[in-house]
Amino acid sequence: NAGVTQTPKFRILKIGQSMTLQCAQDMNHNYMYWYRQDPGMGLKLIYYSVGAGITDKGEVPNGYNVSRSTTEDFPLRLELAAPSQTSVYFCASSSRSEGYTFGSGTRLTVV
Amino acid sequence: EDQVTQSPEALRLQEGESSSLNCSYTVSGLRGLFWYRQDPGKGPEFLFTLYSAGEEKEKERLKATLTKKESFLHITAPKPEDSATYLCAVLLRGSYIPTFGRGTSLIVHP
Repeated sequence: NAGVTQTPKFRILKIGQSMTLQCAQDMNHNYMYWYRQDPGMGLKLIYYSVGAGITDKGEVPNGYNVSRSTTEDFPLRLELAAPSQTSVYFCASSSRSEGYTFGSGTRLTVV
Repeated sequence: EDQVTQSPEALRLQEGESSSLNCSYTVSGLRGLFWYRQDPGKGPEFLFTLYSAGEEKEKERLKATLTKKESFLHITAPKPEDSATYLCAVLLRGSYIPTFGRGTSLIVHP
């Protein structure tokens, strides 16, 4: 009954470092998404995927990359971290017409 | 201009004081409207999906309704554990990317 699992829960990066945020789902959902949430700004879509091997940019993709080699996993890569990437990151999955299942989030601070 | 607007931004209620949250949208061709609850430090939790005007869904003290231009989340006799941020999102026909509102922060005082 895991749903969507995100790791790590917290991370502090120095400017210029890179990291990968992991996301895995066990519901056999084709659709997966990465969002960032900043205070008062709502959820902003970074990247999404409609199936293994297929990804596309969302509203705020700059500074991020994704891959989707399996149905279950959808990692988000941050290259050359910048303070503007300080945020809470949520991964989500869904079947096409239903609501999302969200992970518990990764709180990232870039210093 | 936001396509999805939630109001109020924040709402404080006394325990037992019923109220409603609003989600209005300017898009046409609605495929579905979703309500989520988000507790501090956690991911949003799915509550309801509404597909057509006139539809209603209920869960415990919450009832969601939908018209052609807005949705209401009615909270009846709220308890402190109902305190959370409530998000709505709209999904257009032909799309699988919903647009989220900024949320309403609800605090229920005992």
